[in-house]
Amino acid sequence: DQQVKQNSPSLSVQEGRISILNCDYTNSMFDYFLWYKKYPAEGPTFLISISSIKDKNEDGRFTVFLNKSAKHLSLHIVPSQPGDSAVYFCAASGNFGNEKLTFGTGTRLTIIP
Amino acid sequence: DVKVTQSSRYLVKRTGEKVFLECVQDMDHENMFWYRQDPGLGLRLIYFSYDVKMKEKGDIPEGYSVSREKKERFSLILESASTNQTSMYLCASSYPEGVYEQYFGPGTRLTVT
Repeated sequence: DQQVKQNSPSLSVQEGRISILNCDYTNSMFDYFLWYKKYPAEGPTFLISISSIKDKNEDGRFTVFLNKSAKHLSLHIVPSQPGDSAVYFCAASGNFGNEKLTFGTGTRLTIIP
Repeated sequence: DVKVTQSSRYLVKRTGEKVFLECVQDMDHENMFWYRQDPGLGLRLIYFSYDVKMKEKGDIPEGYSVSREKKERFSLILESASTNQTSMYLCASSYPEGVYEQYFGPGTRLTVT
């Protein structure tokens, strides 16, 4: 039972354009969401997060949007740069009494120069 | 900067061998986690630990055990390695209660032949 889903395994975007990565979740108890970026042969690194009390969080070129009614979040990267080419994972956690994260399956983003 | 290190980057073992994967973090984090990453399946939680000598099963604990004798060290043990345990293994740590961002090590690529 995949509680966090990333339906696009891959995405290609021209350098300078906007990249939009999507994530859907099914568990309404999730109240905190994170995006991680992973390069080959490295561990994932934390990128940006959002609490369910917000619908938007921005950090430089990265913005995460949360639509609670649709159980959907998205990561916008603008402008996209070649160094953004990586696998992106969304993750979710909730007030379950622990800090366990549930990860999506990942989206491989390729920025075309 | 948080540093999470894993004992090996690449490991090749034979079926039936006992395998130890070691993880050390230097930030005095209470929480530590072991994941495996497989194509199309994302990151799946194997085991986690909230404190020394404490452990809890994640989503896919079968065939694995863990040990946490010291706060900074969390070991993953494959009692009898099988070919379906060939994977990328990732260790992570995080601050205690209420903080969800996890910091990952570089990963161990384990091949079981």
